[in-house]
Amino acid sequence: SQQGEEDPQALSIQEGENATMNCSYKTSINNLQWYRQNSGRGLVHLILIRSNEREKHSGRLRVTLDTSKKSSSLLITASRAADTASYFCATDPYNNNDMRFGAGTRLTVKP
Amino acid sequence: DVKVTQSSRYLVKRTGEKVFLECVQDMDHENMFWYRQDPGLGLRLIYFSYDVKMKEKGDIPEGYSVSREKKERFSLILESASTNQTSMYLCASKRGSSTDTQYFGPGTRLTVL
Repeated sequence: SQQGEEDPQALSIQEGENATMNCSYKTSINNLQWYRQNSGRGLVHLILIRSNEREKHSGRLRVTLDTSKKSSSLLITASRAADTASYFCATDPYNNNDMRFGAGTRLTVKP
Repeated sequence: DVKVTQSSRYLVKRTGEKVFLECVQDMDHENMFWYRQDPGLGLRLIYFSYDVKMKEKGDIPEGYSVSREKKERFSLILESASTNQTSMYLCASKRGSSTDTQYFGPGTRLTVL
């Protein structure tokens, strides 16, 4: 079954705006990771946040984690056309190294 | 850089054929994974392996089997392909810790006619 669910399913913004994507999950986790997928390609890891962390930054990316609500958000600031991609959250719900992904958010950044 | 390669980018097969999808990683990772990706459903885990000759079922193993005879290679087998197995198949690998990153191959788009 799907562990994570991203929201919204699709997001369209103008270049320079911020993009916020949310992820909800069902079980307790050790960590949550965000990945990006360009059209028709494999996924690329963006950032990991551990269950004892609340916020993490990497360049223009900001990730938050609320374990009480079983949710995370990914913020991309000052978006660029090159940020156009699908974004997925992933967790390890069974603590045995297998990762579960959500259905993703399709982000379109218009130049 | 970690490299995960998949044997084909595009594959067209007929219903009932036996299909082999191969995945190779070059970083000595313990864990390897097979996912399928369908529009609106995201990535769903088919099988994973945490060591040579070891395998674990994921969420949708029906109609699939896997083989891991060498650490670097993880094969997905469709015993008798069906049209509902038309999908994008993604292979990934990672080290043994839950905090390690998964590295993905480019994917194989399989069409079953």
